[in-house]
Amino acid sequence: KQEVTQIPAALSVPEGENLVLNCSFTDSAIYNLQWFRQDPGKGLTSLLLIQSSQREQTSGRLNASLDKSSGRSTLYIAASQPGDSATYLCAVPNSGGYQKVTFGTGTKLQVIP
Amino acid sequence: GAGVSQTPSNKVTEKGKYVELRCDPISGHTALYWYRQSLGQGPEFLIYFQGTGAADDSGLPNDRFFAVRPEGSVSTLKIQRTERGDSAVYLCASSKEAVGEQFFGPGTRLTVL
Repeated sequence: KQEVTQIPAALSVPEGENLVLNCSFTDSAIYNLQWFRQDPGKGLTSLLLIQSSQREQTSGRLNASLDKSSGRSTLYIAASQPGDSATYLCAVPNSGGYQKVTFGTGTKLQVIP
Repeated sequence: GAGVSQTPSNKVTEKGKYVELRCDPISGHTALYWYRQSLGQGPEFLIYFQGTGAADDSGLPNDRFFAVRPEGSVSTLKIQRTERGDSAVYLCASSKEAVGEQFFGPGTRLTVL
């Protein structure tokens, strides 16, 4: 059974700081890994999708890396802004022919102006 | 449509009643997912459709939950004999292909009194 852990559960940083969010998974047989942000009371917004064959993916100030062998992904946010405040979630679909997707519990980020 | 839509946005019902939650995926997306999210938790997988068929329904908690996608587009999640423990936000997502990038709707907040 796939288990996904995100550390830390909550993070508070001053504006402008670079930061790293962590995602760990127990079963390395994954197709891909996707990072999302969720604003309070809202649905999830896709940030980045990394295929299992990729090492990293970049979009603007965001960079996500994937190390399948160690079961880890990191989301790097450069020059954080108050608008980055949200909960960040990672998700992995299981391989093996089934599409059950397992989410982490998220990291709640607060960027202080 | 431009994005995934879900109706209703809020549903309040009484214990024991039947409810239907609707999801309209992005046009042309063949894959559709249902999730349930409780406060402070990551989304919990319920069911995945590829086209009209439920390719993986292993996340449905019991036989009171059922979902259909008769024409391979709109999907309906049906909950019979609702219980207070069913209260949660029900999220729908779609992707262009199997194991592709998922795009989420805003969710339906279900409250069972």
